[in-house]
Amino acid sequence: DAGVIQSPRHEVTEMGQEVTLRCKPISGHNSLFWYRQTMMRGLELLIYFNNNVPIDDSGMPEDRFSAKMPNASFSTLKIQPSEPRDSAVYFCASATSGLNTGELFFGEGSRLTVL
Amino acid sequence: GNSVTQMEGPVTLSEEAFLTINCTYTATGYPSLFWYVQYPGEGLQLLLKATKADDKGSNKGFEATYRKETTSFHLEKGSVQVSDSAVYFCALRESGGSNYKLTFGKGTLLTVNP
Repeated sequence: DAGVIQSPRHEVTEMGQEVTLRCKPISGHNSLFWYRQTMMRGLELLIYFNNNVPIDDSGMPEDRFSAKMPNASFSTLKIQPSEPRDSAVYFCASATSGLNTGELFFGEGSRLTVL
Repeated sequence: GNSVTQMEGPVTLSEEAFLTINCTYTATGYPSLFWYVQYPGEGLQLLLKATKADDKGSNKGFEATYRKETTSFHLEKGSVQVSDSAVYFCALRESGGSNYKLTFGKGTLLTVNP
């Protein structure tokens, strides 16, 4: 079975450019999470969707960040305009039933470098 | 708010050595506790979990016991292998209304040398 699929795996861009990260969750999972991982702050939850609806976006750093989930099999995280401090690994994760089992299934991550 | 504190790494061991990675937490209520592992170039994956006090989670030779009195969930393995080299994350899940949220520690890098 396919796991969580993220693209691109690596992105290098210049400051001010728009960045779009994509995620396909595991089929049948109704919860989707976007996390950011940096050395300084570790893993931070950016946004949580349940049944395609954003439930908690309190971790989204600022208005430059936006996330959508137009259907159960696809989500995007967009940064516009990007800044060097956005450089990080961005993980998408999915789960069943709002994490009742406690298990998140992570993608391999998208490593973003903003020059 | 909730928080998870892990021992800082990196931890470097020889094969067959005993491993302990300390984890303590702060939470209201009765959280569930988890250890996740991240192998190089991969996403995190669940290693083990415990949902109530005195529960012991175990998997692949790793163990951790939920100690409410000391608010701890230390990870142990009796004999590590080179293939255990990875970053280990302790995490908690709140009980109650925000139980979708996992709070992670900063991770501990383990390197096992042959």
